Amino acid sequence: ETVLTQSPGTLSLSPGERATLSCRASQSVSSTYLAWYQQRPGQAPRLLIYGTSSRATGIPDRFSGSGSGTDFTLTISSLEPEDFAVYYCQNYGTSPQTFGQGTKVEIK
Amino acid sequence: VQLVESGGGLVQPGGSLRLSCSASGFTLSTYHMHWVRQAPGKGLEYVSGITNDGGKTIYGDSVKGRFTISRDTSKNTLDLQMGCLRTEDTAVYYCVKEKAGNWQPFDFWGQGTLVTVSS
Repeated sequence: ETVLTQSPGTLSLSPGERATLSCRASQSVSSTYLAWYQQRPGQAPRLLIYGTSSRATGIPDRFSGSGSGTDFTLTISSLEPEDFAVYYCQNYGTSPQTFGQGTKVEIK
Repeated sequence: VQLVESGGGLVQPGGSLRLSCSASGFTLSTYHMHWVRQAPGKGLEYVSGITNDGGKTIYGDSVKGRFTISRDTSKNTLDLQMGCLRTEDTAVYYCVKEKAGNWQPFDFWGQGTLVTVSS
């Protein structure tokens, strides 16, 4: 089973700053099958990015994804107040699918 | 598109519970469907999935042999029968729709139903 490890565990930033979140896989993951989800407090997760870099419907362009092999990155170019949340990466090219443990982006 | 889970509640260790997910705005049998859970204060854990034609099911290692996923096409519902429940099964259980096609991400999540396993 491919293990996804996200870092850092918590990211403390101010609105307007750039956020860079990492997802590292224990073995190579096809870029076709790497997704990112956002979970705001008290809400269900929602799909942000799939296929490493494709934004889901309605997701603003301040969110971008990149990477390949074992290293993937979610970047939020300029944090808005609603972006302070927990972010999960997912490998959906395996059965069962696996998730990273999450990165919390909190207000500094 | 709407997914509404029901059936959560308090159950004793060793007990059983059946969760249901009612889908509206789309035909459930058109998509692969899944259950994902989240223990209090923890991350996301894959529980189970079923293909759009109902021909294949899959389970996470922690629930294999204890949980059964099924669907009722006439009611447009997805079910999860949970047995031999343990305290570590305590979690919010989300019903999740996979994006159209095969090997796709999860593009829609229900709001979840809380299952508490405790004596």
